[in-house]
Amino acid sequence: SQQGEEDPQALSIQEGENATMNCSYKTSINNLQWYRQNSGRGLVHLILIRSNEREKHSGRLRVTLDTSKKSSSLLITASRAADTASYFCATVSNSGYALNFGKGTSLLVTP
Amino acid sequence: DVKVTQSSRYLVKRTGEKVFLECVQDMDHENMFWYRQDPGLGLRLIYFSYDVKMKEKGDIPEGYSVSREKKERFSLILESASTNQTSMYLCASSLTTGEVREQYFGPGTRLTVT
Repeated sequence: SQQGEEDPQALSIQEGENATMNCSYKTSINNLQWYRQNSGRGLVHLILIRSNEREKHSGRLRVTLDTSKKSSSLLITASRAADTASYFCATVSNSGYALNFGKGTSLLVTP
Repeated sequence: DVKVTQSSRYLVKRTGEKVFLECVQDMDHENMFWYRQDPGLGLRLIYFSYDVKMKEKGDIPEGYSVSREKKERFSLILESASTNQTSMYLCASSLTTGEVREQYFGPGTRLTVT
């Protein structure tokens, strides 16, 4: 049962541009997490934002959270070709242990 | 750094075979997870374990079983492989804290059942 849904499904930009992807979810959350997956590899955790936080930064990443709209956004500034990957948002599942992942946004950054 | 390893990167099996996928983590994490990832469907949880010998079904447990005899190792078993189990299998682990924290993933096993 997937809770997070990313938008857009695919995004193509040039190096140096900013990339923004969005995530919507359905029920209340304690935190929301973003992950990156390079082609054919496992997922890597990028950032966790708690429900009482509105914005969080990590290097070139900026995540916002709007609990009233049940949405989050991930901004990658000054993108690089190495940022080419799929990006997923995740929220806690009903089990209280596992995460529900969205289907991801596929980002292509061209030189 | 947390390291999660999976026994194979690529695996080809025949229909009806019993298949074992192994996952090992080296950071003493209590929780371990098995997901499968298919194009257009994203990641779906198969099983998870929050302690040794404990297991819980995820969203799609049919056709799978798991084993957790030691804290660091979580095995996924396909009792009788079928072609619809061709997929990328991802193992993950996480700590138990007061909140659900980040998961650490292995590199994945791409299983093909012919």
